[in-house]
Amino acid sequence: EVQLVESGGGLVQPGGSLRLSCAASGFTFSRYSMNWARQAPGKGLEWLSFITGSSSTIYYADSVKGRFTISRDNAKNSLFLQMNSLRVEDTAVYYCAREGFNYESDYWGPGTLVTVSS
Amino acid sequence: QTVVTQEPSLTVSPGGTVTLTCAFSTGAVTSGHYPNWFQQKPGQTPRALIYSTNNKHSWTPARFSGSLLGGKAALTLSDVQPEDEAEYYCLLFYAGAHWEFGGGTKLTVL
Repeated sequence: EVQLVESGGGLVQPGGSLRLSCAASGFTFSRYSMNWARQAPGKGLEWLSFITGSSSTIYYADSVKGRFTISRDNAKNSLFLQMNSLRVEDTAVYYCAREGFNYESDYWGPGTLVTVSS
Repeated sequence: QTVVTQEPSLTVSPGGTVTLTCAFSTGAVTSGHYPNWFQQKPGQTPRALIYSTNNKHSWTPARFSGSLLGGKAALTLSDVQPEDEAEYYCLLFYAGAHWEFGGGTKLTVL
């Protein structure tokens, strides 16, 4: 069974940093591209970042480019999102999602809440 | 700024049919945008329904179908059930390097 579980969320002050993790199981992690997305309270979904299985290709949304860094450790079946210079508007539930071989986003984790507040 | 637009809200009667659309600010949506559709119920994680325009996941009910319609991506729900009441999001790939979600459509079954 495919499972994705995010962790690392919490309360952080504006300007601070946080590193999110996504633990994957039930599939050959290294073969799949992965994405991060988020959802602010009461708002819609926002795509953030993409990474291929080999980490050879990485994309970012303009809203987080230069502040967030996506990475992965295939040996540990883990995906990461390093978030720096956090802003109040980064407050959201952050999701990791698997991307299949046909541009499909299929499995999502339950999400982890990040709150940026003083 | 690239914008993906969906109907903010739609209402359908049980047993009816409804089509949700997804438009792209820069022009027509094509198969090259690999449209994905998701369903999200309150307090739940988004659930994938459709990928690459019209392909269903193994768990997607048969009453859900995807297509391209008049330059937009479309999600059609047939024989709508009360449990289909939810928020629906489309997702488009563009510029070879970005994904963009639509603003979502709140579907009410009444």
